[in-house]
Amino acid sequence: GAVVSQHPSRVICKSGTSVKIECRSLDFQATTMFWYRQFPKKSLMLMATSNEGSKATYEQGVEKDKFLINHASLTLSTLTVTSAHPEDSSFYICSARTSGRGEQFFGPGTRLTVL
Amino acid sequence: QKEVEQDPGPLSVPEGAIVSLNCTYSNSAFQYFMWYRQYSRKGPELLMYTYSSGNKEDGRFTAQVDKSSKYISLFIRDSQPSDSATYLCAMTYSGNTGKLIFGQGTTLQVKP
Repeated sequence: GAVVSQHPSRVICKSGTSVKIECRSLDFQATTMFWYRQFPKKSLMLMATSNEGSKATYEQGVEKDKFLINHASLTLSTLTVTSAHPEDSSFYICSARTSGRGEQFFGPGTRLTVL
Repeated sequence: QKEVEQDPGPLSVPEGAIVSLNCTYSNSAFQYFMWYRQYSRKGPELLMYTYSSGNKEDGRFTAQVDKSSKYISLFIRDSQPSDSATYLCAMTYSGNTGKLIFGQGTTLQVKP
């Protein structure tokens, strides 16, 4: 299958700081990328859909000013958690969708801990 | 009622057993069906992708789709301890911008 990377894999930050997470499709171009959040023992919660060159579409209840998404190229999307609070601590996962069959491949995830 | 229903388990089987994982759905518009495997603290890994009723086989895995009953299954033959993970079904349809609708996930434990 296609490969999606995420960086960093783990980050610890202080409350009030901003954290940027990168998602890259390594061997294919992805016009659409998705950002998810996952709580322990729960399924994935879609946060936003990111299309290359346009504004992200956020799911209901997700603060767009807090979770900034940029999809600058066909292989890179970034999620910035601004003014992080302890309740933002979670496992963040991105996925990238192939053209054609439209399969989605997931990154390995980023564990964010806000102190 | 959730669009996609999946029994969260946990499901525990002995090594070598045949495992059957299932999801039901309510939206007849769903056209594309996927099964993902997720190990603890890792991203989901795509196992199977199907878009028509019937069976699709890949190694020890068989995905089955019954659109008339709105029911999909994943069978794992000769299960191994390394298959112990959470299995997520997901589905979508054309015009849904690729958004996947996930089941809750079933936790599987294969005991040696």
